[in-house]
Amino acid sequence: NAGVMQNPRHLVRRRGQEARLRCSPMKGHSHVYWYRQLPEEGLKFMVYLQKENIIDESGMPKERFSAEFPKEGPSILRIQQVVRGDSAAYFCASSPPRGTNEKLFFGSGTQLSVL
Amino acid sequence: GENVEQHPSTLSVQEGDSAVIKCTYSDSASNYFPWYKQELGKRPQLIIDIRSNVGEKKDQRIAVTLNKTAKHFSLHITETQPEDSAVYFCAAGGYNNNDMRFGAGTRLTVKP
Repeated sequence: NAGVMQNPRHLVRRRGQEARLRCSPMKGHSHVYWYRQLPEEGLKFMVYLQKENIIDESGMPKERFSAEFPKEGPSILRIQQVVRGDSAAYFCASSPPRGTNEKLFFGSGTQLSVL
Repeated sequence: GENVEQHPSTLSVQEGDSAVIKCTYSDSASNYFPWYKQELGKRPQLIIDIRSNVGEKKDQRIAVTLNKTAKHFSLHITETQPEDSAVYFCAAGGYNNNDMRFGAGTRLTVKP
């Protein structure tokens, strides 16, 4: 079991470009969560998805940010027209199908740097 | 929603000493309290968790205590070793994982 896989590990974008972050959950997991981590801060919840459904996007900015988890393939966090304030580590976590109080397993994160 | 406060933000101890990190939470409905360890540049990893039906849980040198009445829980690391140096995050959540909220983290340094 390869665990939660995120890529790329590091992503550099210029202001105004688009950033696409990918997350493949652990085998058998169908629930995906995205978090943002700023330096010296905790993990801030952004969005929770199941296959083909966004369940809770209450932590995700309304503009420029979107997320999907298609039937086939990884979950994608998309940030359009990036700004310097988007620079952060973005972590994805997955949990088994039950989704309630199940242990979260994190990926290694994508460090986004906006120049 | 849930709000989690974590103290201290930094903690330095001598190898072999104990380390204690404390968290408080606001939502009395929270019933799941995990602790994560994050080494520099790496993923957060679950090290121990406790559910609201127990007051204490221990796993070798690590223990967690929970006081539901006071809405606080603590991580205790005994006989600390340099490899325990990392950032530790507490979290509190309810029935659904997307309700879980994290503390700001404690940077633990264990000096040899």
